[in-house]
Amino acid sequence: GAGVSQSPSNKVTEKGKDVELRCDPISGHTALYWYRQSLGQGLEFLIYFQGNSAPDKSGLPSDRFSAERTGGSVSTLTIQRTQQEDSAVYLCASSLANYRQETQYFGPGTRLLVL
Amino acid sequence: RKEVEQDPGPFNVPEGATVAFNCTYSNSASQSFFWYRQDCRKEPKLLMSVYSSGNEDGRFTAQLNRASQYISLLIRDSKLSDSATYLCVVNGDNFNKFYFGSGTKLNVKP
Repeated sequence: GAGVSQSPSNKVTEKGKDVELRCDPISGHTALYWYRQSLGQGLEFLIYFQGNSAPDKSGLPSDRFSAERTGGSVSTLTIQRTQQEDSAVYLCASSLANYRQETQYFGPGTRLLVL
Repeated sequence: RKEVEQDPGPFNVPEGATVAFNCTYSNSASQSFFWYRQDCRKEPKLLMSVYSSGNEDGRFTAQLNRASQYISLLIRDSKLSDSATYLCVVNGDNFNKFYFGSGTKLNVKP
């Protein structure tokens, strides 16, 4: 079946511009996660959704970052007034639920470059 | 202190070798542990979950040591296709928040 998809796959933007990243989780997956991976680094947890709710937003790096999820499906991560340090790969993952041992399935990521 | 720490490597081993990685975690309340594999410029994929009693999947064996707060991954009979970065994942106080290590790079040589 279809896996997690993300768009765009690559995004180049100028410093100060806003960007919107999209994630389509696997159908039926109620949990959705956003991570950021800088070059040569591990994944940095940003936020997770259970359904449309985001109980924990503490991983978002600053108030320029926001995320929403509608209809328990598609999620968007918005970065306002982008900065060069925002350049990274943004990965989305989904899982059936938030149970402890649930597998997270990752999308291919959006590579963001802020000039 | 980082939530999860791994030796970045690289571990360079010949085909057929046995190699082991460790990963330490800081939160003693963590309950969920995983090993993910990430190929170059690809997304992470689950390799195996780590259970308290330890578990094995073919050539791969994972162990959990709660007392010392580390998990391990043992790969036997290494294949060229095992070359990748192996990420250790641990959940935090909030079971829904997961921390990834920076990864251990493995290069299996012919």
